[in-house]
Amino acid sequence: QVQLVQSGAEVKKPGASVKVSCKASGYTFTDYYMHWVRQAPGQGLEWMGWINPNSGGTSFAQTFQGRVTMTRDTSISTAYMELSRLTSDDRAVYYCARIKSYYFDYWGQGTLVTVSS
Amino acid sequence: QSALTQPRSVSGSPGQSVTISCTGTSSDVGAYNYVSWYQQHPGKAPKLMIHAVSKRPSGVPDRFSGSKSGNTASLTISGLQAEDEADYYCCSYAGSYTWVFGGGTKLTVL
Repeated sequence: QVQLVQSGAEVKKPGASVKVSCKASGYTFTDYYMHWVRQAPGQGLEWMGWINPNSGGTSFAQTFQGRVTMTRDTSISTAYMELSRLTSDDRAVYYCARIKSYYFDYWGQGTLVTVSS
Repeated sequence: QSALTQPRSVSGSPGQSVTISCTGTSSDVGAYNYVSWYQQHPGKAPKLMIHAVSKRPSGVPDRFSGSKSGNTASLTISGLQAEDEADYYCCSYAGSYTWVFGGGTKLTVL
């Protein structure tokens, strides 16, 4: 069965970077793009961008341009999302989500990122 | 790109029907039949309920249905059950390989 398992919670200082991983299993990793979505406490979902695990190509929401990097390691079926220059506004749960056609059919369990001095 | 507009909350009694609207623009909801809906219980990841405006994935009860008219999509839940109480989010493809979510609607089953 398809599973997306994310790395554990992180606590970072303002100005630092955070890197979240998303390990896929149960399907061919390179067959589906992987997206990242975040959710601030008590807030809605915010689309961040995607990575093509086959080519490594990426595309990001304008909000995150210049501050987000998405990479993958096909040898271990894992996607990564790195967000730099963190501020308190980046405190959120970050989800990876597999996309099929134009919808997100499987989601990771989420990774809480806390930004605190 | 602005978030799609959803009512902050809706409510209904068990057995009743409720409809959640999702209003976008002619660049997202109105332009593509790629609206999807997600249910999210507290502390859990979102779960796909509807895709391509009105298609239900296997395992989703047929009490859930979706539709679209112009720039507004809707999710209708009929025969409300206690377990339907959750947050619901719409999402639309917005062109140029970008997606946009709605702000979310809290459904309360009275």
